[in-house]
Amino acid sequence: RKEVEQDPGPFNVPEGATVAFNCTYSNSASQSFFWYRQDCRKEPKLLMSVYSSGNEDGRFTAQLNRASQYISLLIRDSKLSDSATYLCVVKGSPSSASKIIFGSGTRLSIRP
Amino acid sequence: DAGVTQSPTHLIKTRGQQVTLRCSPKSGHDTVSWYQQALGQGPQFIFQYYEEEERQRGNFPDRFSGHQFPNYSSELNVNALLLGDSALYLCASSPKTGGNNEQYFGPGTRLTVT
Repeated sequence: RKEVEQDPGPFNVPEGATVAFNCTYSNSASQSFFWYRQDCRKEPKLLMSVYSSGNEDGRFTAQLNRASQYISLLIRDSKLSDSATYLCVVKGSPSSASKIIFGSGTRLSIRP
Repeated sequence: DAGVTQSPTHLIKTRGQQVTLRCSPKSGHDTVSWYQQALGQGPQFIFQYYEEEERQRGNFPDRFSGHQFPNYSSELNVNALLLGDSALYLCASSPKTGGNNEQYFGPGTRLTVT
């Protein structure tokens, strides 16, 4: 089993739709969680950190479920510009010297 | 505020050769991590440097080595290149303390081994 698993997609949804991705992780001791966005042939860019209480940033909502060991990303009112690959990141501890694992990414395509 | 910079942007090498990639972290960051990203995959963690020492290492052979300089910049060296080393090499920086250690990535170096 991979340490961090994501549905590769692609998710193809119309503009304005709501879309959600999940990411599961195997290490129950994991402490820090992030969502990154990566456009084609570009570097990953931090979208948001995921906090235990859940957090929202505009149209984006991230949730953490420690019991079931998954994090989720919800995108509301999707825009064409949201088309990208979304990468889930899990870190062992807040310490700098801890293992950082990326998922393989979920591709999202928004159609007009 | 300069972000993470990497050089070169593209590189073509032959099997068996050696390559050095360079990274300068974001201003205020002292921790540098290197990743290898193959086409269609997520970034794979190679190693992380802080205080000029390798602190963590992923599942990469000894052909992959690195260095961090007193100004926090870093190099990634790959010896005896294989075709399978062709990938995008990403450098990410983060602050050691404070915040949630979010990492900020440079634009990457695309390495092609022929």
